[in-house]
Amino acid sequence: AQSVTQPDIHITVSEGASLELRCNYSYGATPYLFWYVQSPGQGLQLLLKYFSGDTLVQGIKGFEAEFKRSQSSFNLRKPSVHWSDAAEYFCAVGAPGNTPLVFGKGTRLSVIA
Amino acid sequence: EAQVTQNPRYLITVTGKKLTVTCSQNMNHEYMSWYRQDPGLGLRQIYYSMNVEVTDKGDVPEGYKVSRKEKRNFPLILESPSPNQTSLYFCASSIRQGKGMNTEAFFGQGTRLTVV
Repeated sequence: AQSVTQPDIHITVSEGASLELRCNYSYGATPYLFWYVQSPGQGLQLLLKYFSGDTLVQGIKGFEAEFKRSQSSFNLRKPSVHWSDAAEYFCAVGAPGNTPLVFGKGTRLSVIA
Repeated sequence: EAQVTQNPRYLITVTGKKLTVTCSQNMNHEYMSWYRQDPGLGLRQIYYSMNVEVTDKGDVPEGYKVSRKEKRNFPLILESPSPNQTSLYFCASSIRQGKGMNTEAFFGQGTRLTVV
């Protein structure tokens, strides 16, 4: 069965610093991959997705992610973090057959001045 | 506007009192799911539905029921709620695209349930 691992439970970065959130997946073929963001008290919002083609995908709010098949990874990056980026981030993988998405446990991002 | 609507947003209830959380989507999506979110555990799937009258258990189905009588609606039913069902609940819908895999899920705003 497919699975997603987000190794970092909590990350703290300074405003203006760069950010990388890690995501590793387990799946036998090329998956569909997603990053979602959940701001406090809100639902989940899609940041970006990868289906096929260019392995570097651009998303909303200045985020990007790179699919690396050899490392089974789909890490999320942002060159300069803003205080409003403080939130919880979830990586998800599209599953085969008829089952919906599988989510990682999330990484909480704190931004300090 | 394309959206998934859950109601209520907040609910406090007592142990054993049946309750229903409604979920409706206006995107004509085939797939709908319910998740619960708990600190340190992330999102765990409760039930999902592939289409009308087709439902199946997710990872944590105990204590919950669902129904899918219409494509747009997917209510979550707690017949006899218990305190361990205190959680944040999300409904999601998605379409299917190629190879049977689902595309991105669209989420409702969440229902914070407290069972005392």
